[in-house]
Amino acid sequence: EDQVTQSPEALRLQEGESSSLNCSYTVSGLRGLFWYRQDPGKGPEFLFTLYSAGEEKEKERLKATLTKKESFLHITAPKPEDSATYLCAVQNYGGSQGNLIFGKGTKLSVKP
Amino acid sequence: SQTIHQWPATLVQPVGSPLSLECTVEGTSNPNLYWYRQAAGRGLQLLFYSVGIGQISSEVPQNLSASRPQDRQFILSSKKLLLSDSGFYLCASVGGTEAFFGQGTRLTVV
Repeated sequence: EDQVTQSPEALRLQEGESSSLNCSYTVSGLRGLFWYRQDPGKGPEFLFTLYSAGEEKEKERLKATLTKKESFLHITAPKPEDSATYLCAVQNYGGSQGNLIFGKGTKLSVKP
Repeated sequence: SQTIHQWPATLVQPVGSPLSLECTVEGTSNPNLYWYRQAAGRGLQLLFYSVGIGQISSEVPQNLSASRPQDRQFILSSKKLLLSDSGFYLCASVGGTEAFFGQGTRLTVV
């Protein structure tokens, strides 16, 4: 069964304190791995899609990397506005026509 | 890029009342459309998906139904709401490996 596990569930950082969020996955055939940011009461905001092991993508203070079993979202020198829940999802080649299978998310709090 | 419109943003409904949530998509054609429900601490659960007009597949047996009357319109409905239907409902559009979400509807059944 396809599965996504995110860790930690919650992470508190001081402003400027870099860290990483983990997304471990098992999937029959990976089509893509997605990262989203979600603010309270809002829909998920698309950040990145990664397709193959070794791939990296960056956006401002965020950098996503992918291996055959996990993905990391590295946050460099975070600011309070980076506080949000970060969701990871995988898409496989079978399943429900491109459906995304989500982890439960990591809630990030950045204190000034 | 795509824009997903959902309404209403919040809804409070009594048990036993009907439900209709609407989702429309701009910026793409022939998208695969999805309804998810998000419960606190439980992640996003796929409810329905559609690959075309009139084509609906259900992932979870439940009190809800979905319809797709137009290419870029997806509707989530119920004839009689249950307390357990409360949650945050999200519409998504997936095209290849791009996937975008609407802003969601917070449904509270009282």
